[in-house]
Amino acid sequence: AQTVTQSQPEMSVQEAETVTLSCTYDTSESDYYLFWYKQPPSRQMILVIRQEAYKQQNATENRFSVNFQKAAKSFSLKISDSQLGDAAMYFCAYRINFGNEKLTFGTGTRLTIIP
Amino acid sequence: IAGITQAPTSQILAAGRRMTLRCTQDMRHNAMYWYRQDLGLGLRLIHYSNTAGTTGKGEVPDGYSVSRANTDDFPLTLASAVPSQTSVYFCASSDRGGSYNEQFFGPGTRLTVL
Repeated sequence: AQTVTQSQPEMSVQEAETVTLSCTYDTSESDYYLFWYKQPPSRQMILVIRQEAYKQQNATENRFSVNFQKAAKSFSLKISDSQLGDAAMYFCAYRINFGNEKLTFGTGTRLTIIP
Repeated sequence: IAGITQAPTSQILAAGRRMTLRCTQDMRHNAMYWYRQDLGLGLRLIHYSNTAGTTGKGEVPDGYSVSRANTDDFPLTLASAVPSQTSVYFCASSDRGGSYNEQFFGPGTRLTVL
């Protein structure tokens, strides 16, 4: 069974600084997707960034980028120039590319932005 | 506004009562999902449906049932609620076969079983 591990229950960062959230996963599949979701206090789940396992290039979305290490099964999220609106729970998620496309989530990292 | 709606937003329920959480999407997505979110456990899949007329069990299906009579609706029923079912419930949908197959989430239902 696939598992996703987020070993940092809480993180904090000074506003305008950079922070990296860690995520590791375990799978025997070779073709899959990885995601980072943001959940602000509003409770809404918002997709931040996604990575296809077959792509070596790390995904980037504005201030958000990932460090995808397929051999190490690691998928960290880097937030640059942190803003107060980045404060939220962040969840790492995995799914295989074919068949049942259910997401397997990590337990989340609560990110606090210090003004 | 396109997206996923869930009802109710929150509910307090006596143990032993029957409860149906509603989920409707207007994106014509073929796949729908129900997750529960518990502190320290992230989101876990309860049931899913790959297309209208079919359903499947997820990671934590016990005590829950679903139906998928049409594309848009995917209700989740607790036949006899127990306190351990106190949680926040999220419905999601995706367009299987589309690019990236991104899952879109509803706003969630907070359920408290006393």
